[in-house]
Amino acid sequence: GENVEQHPSTLSVQEGDSAVIKCTYSDSASNYFPWYKQELGKRPQLIIDIRSNVGEKKDQRIAVTLNKTAKHFSLHITETQPEDSAVYFCAAPSYNFNKFYFGSGTKLNVKP
Amino acid sequence: GAVVSQHPSWVICKSGTSVKIECRSLDFQATTMFWYRQFPKQSLMLMATSNEGSKATYEQGVEKDKFLINHASLTLSTLTVTSAHPEDSSFYICSASPGIRVETGELFFGEGSRLTVL
Repeated sequence: GENVEQHPSTLSVQEGDSAVIKCTYSDSASNYFPWYKQELGKRPQLIIDIRSNVGEKKDQRIAVTLNKTAKHFSLHITETQPEDSAVYFCAAPSYNFNKFYFGSGTKLNVKP
Repeated sequence: GAVVSQHPSWVICKSGTSVKIECRSLDFQATTMFWYRQFPKQSLMLMATSNEGSKATYEQGVEKDKFLINHASLTLSTLTVTSAHPEDSSFYICSASPGIRVETGELFFGEGSRLTVL
């Protein structure tokens, strides 16, 4: 099955700095990669996603880049704010696209 | 976005009892529902995938007889932890998709249920 690895497990940045979280996947057939944000005690919510036909996608302060050759994709958050503090998960679909496998999560702490 | 409701949000039970957790899609028909287990400071571990009207597909290492999953309708899936023991204490979270293929990106999570077995 798909193997998704996520790094780092924790990340602490100063408010206003950028944060980058990286994930690698194993199945070269995977073509859709979402990122979820889970605030403490709340449900994960989709924040951005990317399909394999593009290399980068941006949504205000958040961007995701994809390198299909290297089989990795990254989440970039610029001008971080305290409300960005949360656990972020990447995911990749299974070979038959009927389920997701999640990365181990990154706890982001933005210090004011 | 679509709403998925999970109930109860927390439950405390005695060892040996069974606990049922419900996952409902409130404003869409969920062809597929997923159950995850989340340990403190850890990721979402997929337990099983359920499709309406058919048996759930369990991930390797997940005991089918321990974690009973029923997806009787397009809006409701249930997870029953049978003969619960302290090691079953965890945060269980469901998610629902309107389609069979997840690449559409439509995957909506419930609020989660925290189970504590005494």
